[in-house]
Amino acid sequence: GEDVEQSLFLSVREGDSSVINCTYTDSSSTYLYWYKQEPGAGLQLLTYIFSNMDMKQDQRLTVLLNKKDKHLSLRIADTQTGDSAIYFCARRTNTDKLIFGTGTRLQVFP
Amino acid sequence: KAGVTQTPRYLIKTRGQQVTLSCSPISGHRSVSWYQQTPGQGLQFLFEYFSETQRNKGNFPGRFSGRQFSNSRSEMNVSTLELGDSALYLCASSLVGEKLFFGSGTQLSVL
Repeated sequence: GEDVEQSLFLSVREGDSSVINCTYTDSSSTYLYWYKQEPGAGLQLLTYIFSNMDMKQDQRLTVLLNKKDKHLSLRIADTQTGDSAIYFCARRTNTDKLIFGTGTRLQVFP
Repeated sequence: KAGVTQTPRYLIKTRGQQVTLSCSPISGHRSVSWYQQTPGQGLQFLFEYFSETQRNKGNFPGRFSGRQFSNSRSEMNVSTLELGDSALYLCASSLVGEKLFFGSGTQLSVL
């Protein structure tokens, strides 16, 4: 299967941490990605992780990968109003195409 | 370094017409792939080109086609447009490696 699933909506208070979750069914992924999409814009690459890694940290962003459970998460520390957007996880197949999740809309309130 | 550039930004067409969208990858990137984004189906892979050769193709009808030129610029064409082709079409480029960078997309409306 190619399904990649995400919860649809997440609401957090400014300054709190956000955790966006993603599950996938096919374990033959090479890389897993997190993209951000703001209204009317394309996809901005936030971070990515190679499939044989467990964790990657990049400033406010932490990616965790649980290969056994096929679960990927993105933690945003000190969430700001500018982080409000739709976040997509994606897995890269061994034929180099990306399979995207449905997207999680993150709303940050003051 | 300039990012991925897609033109035009917006397009309005009527059913039965054809349309050509353009994508200029980041300088030095030889792989270009195309995705369709709709509210109902989400983001779906169309095709990928590398050094002027189509390497991979998604599950779209033959009305959707593409090509890549020697300078790595790519075009995609949709013939005999249908209402359901209304979507944001996104192009991504990459070196041979892990990062794919997307353009801002072309918003196509079919009336």
